[in-house]
Order: sequence, then structure tokens, then C-alpha cells
Amino acid sequence: GQNIDQPTEMTATEGAIVQINCTYQTSGFNGLFWYQQHAGEAPTFLSYNVLDGLEEKGRFSSFLSRSKGYSYLLLKELQMKDSASYLCAVSRAAGNKLTFGGGTRVLVKP
Amino acid sequence: KAGVTQTPRYLIKTRGQQVTLSCSPISGHRSVSWYQQTPGQGLQFLFEYFSETQRNKGNFPGRFSGRQFSNSRSEMNVSTLELGDSALYLCASGMEQETQYFGPGTRLLVL
Repeated sequence: GQNIDQPTEMTATEGAIVQINCTYQTSGFNGLFWYQQHAGEAPTFLSYNVLDGLEEKGRFSSFLSRSKGYSYLLLKELQMKDSASYLCAVSRAAGNKLTFGGGTRVLVKP
Repeated sequence: KAGVTQTPRYLIKTRGQQVTLSCSPISGHRSVSWYQQTPGQGLQFLFEYFSETQRNKGNFPGRFSGRQFSNSRSEMNVSTLELGDSALYLCASGMEQETQYFGPGTRLLVL
């Protein structure tokens, strides 16, 4: 199947850490993307994982386990501007077709 | 490099009309994909074009069509508009099997 599951909403405090999990069906898997989308705006690219392991980019890190069909996005030192939806997307077919999860809305509170 | 551009940014149509949306990819990108985003269904893949050929297609009715020109610019067309077609239509461009970058989107309202 194409199901990509991620929590609907998460709340965290400014300066804290939040981990957003994403699970997916492993058949035909090519790679996994994380995008950030602020309300009313287009998604912006955060990370791309193809191989198992952790990719770190400043305050944001993304982890992938291909065998478990599992990824997470870790946001550290949360800032108010991090309040947004975070979208997990899987690439399967040849080409650039992405299947998106429903998105996780993160609310950062002071 | 300039980012992905989409025109128009906002559009209001009535049921039964047709609409054409345009997307200019990042220079050098040959792949252009189209997505529909609604509050209820989230982001859904419409189709992908690569070197003027449709390479992937989502599960949308035939009213939704697209094309790509030799300069990689792409258009999508929706005929016989329905109320449920109201959505944000996003275009993304990329290289082969690599990161896709999204444009600002066209917000379509069907009355």
C-alpha cells in the first residue's frame, strides 16, 4: 500500500526538542523526504534520506531505517518560527513521484 | 538561480469552466511535477513530466491534463471544473531522482 503515517499534531516549548515520526510501506522504496510548510505557503525542502542512518543539518536532523519503514525528523532548540506543518514524503517509482503523509502540525509555545 | 514560478497565483472560476495553470521550473531542471493540496486530502500527486513526456500519473480523472514544452515549462489544464477542484495547485521541479523544489502555488477557487 501507499500509507504513510505521521502524527497529526504536536506541541512543544520554545528551546525544546521535538521528534516527528513517519512510517511507510517499504515496497519499491527509493528515498524519503521531509518538507516544512508554513500556513498559506509552499512546502520547502528540509532533508532527503536514501541510506540508513542520521543526516544532520544544523538544528534539524533526519533518520531513516529502510528495513523498518521508519523515519523521524528531529527539531532541536525550537524557535517560534518552527511552528509549521512537517510533511513526510516517499519516492517509489522511477522518476520523481512523491507520496505524502498527511503532515504533522507542530505548535511551538513560548 | 531563480526558483520555481507559477502563474497565476490566484484564480476564481465557476463550475463547468476550464482553467490552465503555468509553471516555470528552476533553470536546468527537466522534471516538473504537479500536486493538488486540499485540507481534506492533503498533498496528492497529479502527474510528472520529463523531457516533454508524461512519466508518472496519479489517480485523478481525465479532466486533469498537462503538458511540457521543450524549454521544460509546463502547463496543467482542468476542464469542466467542479466545486471539489478548489485547491492549492503546486508545481515542483527537480533533476532525476533528486530533491524536488516547490513553487508558490496557484490557489484556485471554484464557485
